[in-house]
Amino acid sequence: GQSLEQPSEVTAVEGAIVQINCTYQTSGFYGLSWYQQHDGGAPTFLSYNALDGLEETGRFSSFLSRSDSYGYLLLQELQMKDSASYFCAVKNYGQNFVFGPGTRLSVLP
Amino acid sequence: NAGVTQTPKFQVLKTGQSMTLQCAQDMNHEYMSWYRQDPGMGLRLIHYSVGAGITDQGEVPNGYNVSRSTTEDFPLRLLSAAPSQTSVYFCASSDLGQTPANEQFFGPGTRLTVL
Repeated sequence: GQSLEQPSEVTAVEGAIVQINCTYQTSGFYGLSWYQQHDGGAPTFLSYNALDGLEETGRFSSFLSRSDSYGYLLLQELQMKDSASYFCAVKNYGQNFVFGPGTRLSVLP
Repeated sequence: NAGVTQTPKFQVLKTGQSMTLQCAQDMNHEYMSWYRQDPGMGLRLIHYSVGAGITDQGEVPNGYNVSRSTTEDFPLRLLSAAPSQTSVYFCASSDLGQTPANEQFFGPGTRLTVL
């Protein structure tokens, strides 16, 4: 089977940097994705790592290490609007997407 | 483009009733899927389709049926609703390999309560 683990909650202050970790157990997958979901809303795509290393998209960066079965999402210059849930996800070779349980980020003023 | 649309937005059913959740996309995506999201939990895959006429089961398929007669539409049928099916249901679509990320586009969700 496949499973992904994330911390359930993270709290940080406005302007700070926060890292949300994702560890996984899977036999094979194409890459690791991150999605953001505000309360009452739908998930929206943030970033994707097909290869090991860091991908940067504005204030968001994502990292993948296949040898360590580990990835993270880094959010810089936190803003109040970044308060949301963040999900890591993998697309396996069977064309399934498997999502982690999500990390709820609270940004404090 | 409307993206991914879902109807209804809210629904209340009684145990044993059946209903169909509608999902449509106008992006010509081959891949479509249905997820359920329970409070404080991630998204669990119910069924998915890689193209018209092709469907497959996900992680939690029991109690649900799907069909894919066109590229645009992917309805989810609840055969005999149970309180355990109270959840938020999301439909999503993806271009299945046209872009490396296989970004999934989600509909706004259907909030279903089964009494």
